[in-house]
Amino acid sequence: KNEVEQSPQNLTAQEGEFITINCSYSVGISALHWLQQHPGGGIVSLFMLSSGKKKHGRLIATINIQEKHSSLHITASHPRDSAVYICAVRGMEYGNKLVFGAGTILRVKS
Amino acid sequence: NAGVMQNPRHLVRRRGQEARLRCSPMKGHSHVYWYRQLPEEGLKFMVYLQKENIIDESGMPKERFSAEFPKEGPSILRIQQVVRGDSAAYFCASSPLADTEAFFGQGTRLTVV
Repeated sequence: KNEVEQSPQNLTAQEGEFITINCSYSVGISALHWLQQHPGGGIVSLFMLSSGKKKHGRLIATINIQEKHSSLHITASHPRDSAVYICAVRGMEYGNKLVFGAGTILRVKS
Repeated sequence: NAGVMQNPRHLVRRRGQEARLRCSPMKGHSHVYWYRQLPEEGLKFMVYLQKENIIDESGMPKERFSAEFPKEGPSILRIQQVVRGDSAAYFCASSPLADTEAFFGQGTRLTVV
């Protein structure tokens, strides 16, 4: 079992839809990151969370430390949101390195 | 303030050659991390360095791979005698402090032919 599990693996949505991507982890963490990667592109850090909720534009990230679960929400989705979304955790037993989920491939159709 | 700069963006090497990947962290960042993304796989940690020191190299293959982050200049990930299985995207990230948000570079895509 991977230490970081994401769901769904693949997601296709219509433009304008509300999107949720989930991340569950199995270890104690000091921080959780949501990252975005476009095909052939670099990696952009969207959020770093250790508790609660953060919002940036149409993106919202939440984390529940007790349940070891985080969600990334995209409101009013747009084709330019099409990318791979990756959850990564900095675990207390890992030191400062990140452990990554497999990623969620999002495609938003117009 | 420029972001994390990696070069080259694309690198082609023949089997047996050496590959040198460079990473210039963001200004003021003294912590550098290297990650590898194999084709159709997720990102995996390789090595964590702080100026002139290797802090954690638990993700580095035991042979042919080395990393450094000298007092002056970029961090270098060096792969000797490359093999086809080394073909991957190599990402560098940097942060100002150990527990703070890390920022990623555009990656170097290594192809071994």
